[in-house]
Parts: sequence; structure tokens; C-alpha cells
Amino acid sequence: EDKVVQSPLSLVVHEGDTVTLNCSYEVTNFRSLLWYKQEKKAPTFLFMLTSSGIEKKSGRLSSILDKKELFSILNITATQTGDSAVYLCAVISVTSGTYKYIFGTGTRLKVLA
Amino acid sequence: DGGITQSPKYLFRKEGQNVTLSCEQNLNHDAMYWYRQDPGQGLRLIYYSQIVNDFQKGDIAEGYSVSREKKESFPLTVTSAQKNPTAFYLCASSINAHQSYGYTFGSGTRLTVV
Repeated sequence: EDKVVQSPLSLVVHEGDTVTLNCSYEVTNFRSLLWYKQEKKAPTFLFMLTSSGIEKKSGRLSSILDKKELFSILNITATQTGDSAVYLCAVISVTSGTYKYIFGTGTRLKVLA
Repeated sequence: DGGITQSPKYLFRKEGQNVTLSCEQNLNHDAMYWYRQDPGQGLRLIYYSQIVNDFQKGDIAEGYSVSREKKESFPLTVTSAQKNPTAFYLCASSINAHQSYGYTFGSGTRLTVV
């Protein structure tokens, strides 16, 4: 059975800290891995990772995929209170030409002022 | 602006009642999806539709029904057969189900059974 596991489940840090969120997966027919940020309602897209070892960056956020070890990390440097959210990892698999998304449970990050 | 609109944001239902959650998109996306989100669990797929007048069951379809009569609309009905309907429901769309462009999500509907 396909599964995506995120760790830790929750995390509390202080502003300025650096955090690393983990996402491991066991998915057949892997196509891509995505990270989303969910603050209260709609998850918003952060990154899509398809190739191993290529870091994607957006401001203080960065992410990388390791297809050999089947995991991805999301780094947030110099955290701010606005980074407080649930971070979702999703893996896309392809079966008979149809793309299926498998979501992890999410990591709840709280950044204290 | 293009996007997905879910309504209502909050919904209360008495046990034994059916209730319908609305999802409308103006992105011209072919594929639409319904997910359920419970505390401590990931998003779980209820139903998805790749094209108008066609839809497939996801991983937890029991107690739910959908229709896709128009490209823009994919309403979800939570029936009385759903034993534990209290949850946060997210609708999403993508250009189509055959390429990995990623989802656009709606803002969700929180359903509470009272």
C-alpha cells in the first residue's frame, strides 16, 4: 500500500530558528513530490520535486528530494511567526496514465515570537 | 481572478440528514477532487472526476455521493450513511488527471454533525 510519512508531527520553535521537516514515502510508480503550506484553509503550493538532488528554493524555504532513499526535506531558515502552519507533503504516482496524489499527515509548525 | 470556491465555510448537520457541499471552479480545469481532512491524518480522497459526467470513487467513498454535470461544478453530498461525517472537506482541481501540474485547493468546508 502506498504511504507517505511526515515527521515530526508537530514542532514548536522560536523566531529565527531553522527547522527541517521530513517526508518519507513508499509509493509505486513515483512521479513527483509536492510540498504545501496550509495555514487555516486552502493548502498553498510551495514546491514540486521530480529529480533527485536538485534543491529548490523560494526565499527562506528550500527543499530537496532523494529518490534513492525515498525522502524529501523542507528547510525553513530564520523562521517567522508567519511560517506557523501545517506543512503537507504529497507524492504523485501514476497508474494507467492517471495521476494519484498520496498525502502525508502533515507537520504542524508553530513559531513563537 | 480564477480559483475554486467552496461553500459554505461552516456547516452543521443533524444526524440522519443528507447535506451537500458546493465546489465551483473557473480555472477551466478538467479534473476535480474531494478530500477529507481529519486531525492527525493526511488528506484522504473521497471522489474524483476527470471529465464532465464521469467520476470515480477514491479511498473513502462510502457514505458520499457526487455529480459532475458541469465542468465548473463538483458538489459532494454527505449522506446519512456516512458514520463519522464531522471533518474538514477540501475540494481541489487540476488541469487534468494525466499530468502532474499540482492542485489548486478551495478554502474548505468544515462540517459538524450535531
